[in-house]
Amino acid sequence: DQQVKQNSPSLSVQEGRISILNCDYTNSMFDYFLWYKKYPAEGPTFLISISSIKDKNEDGRFTVFLNKSAKHLSLHIVPSQPGDSAVYFCAASSGAGGTSYGKLTFGQGTILTVHP
Amino acid sequence: DSGVTQTPKHLITATGQRVTLRCSPRSGDLSVYWYQQSLDQGLQFLIQYYNGEERAKGNILERFSAQQFPDLHSELNLSSLELGDSALYFCASRPSGLAGANEQFFGPGTRLTVL
Repeated sequence: DQQVKQNSPSLSVQEGRISILNCDYTNSMFDYFLWYKKYPAEGPTFLISISSIKDKNEDGRFTVFLNKSAKHLSLHIVPSQPGDSAVYFCAASSGAGGTSYGKLTFGQGTILTVHP
Repeated sequence: DSGVTQTPKHLITATGQRVTLRCSPRSGDLSVYWYQQSLDQGLQFLIQYYNGEERAKGNILERFSAQQFPDLHSELNLSSLELGDSALYFCASRPSGLAGANEQFFGPGTRLTVL
């Protein structure tokens, strides 16, 4: 039972263009969503997050959009740079309001390649 | 650098053996999470500790155990190792006092190879 799905295993984009990575979830109890970037042989690096009370969060070149009715979130990277090439994971958790949050449930990841 | 440290970076051992993976969370973080990344399963939650107490368990095998010590570092013990336990093991910590948020910061991982 995969509660968080990233249906595109890979995405190839030209430098300077927009990268759009997509993620779908099934568990309506999820109330916090995150995107992580991962290079081989390194741990996931936190990029950006969004609470379910919002529909958009922006941080520099990175914007996350949340559509709760569709149970869908996306990460936009504008402009894309070759250094953005990595595996991107979306993750979700539930339990907003507590001081000790629970596990992150991860998607399978999307390999982003940005060509110069 | 996330501020989360893990040792060792690599571990090669034989089936049937026991190993201990160590994690030090970011300074001040009370929550520690362990995750396993295998080729076919992706990143899977194993277990969570908060200030020394176990808070949640995921798909953690009975052969695996963990604890969090008073200085907040955590250890993951894997015993009776099988070939299928070969994976990357990540530790993450969550900043305390983050109301309404759940950013977790990951260490560099320990790559376990069971031969």
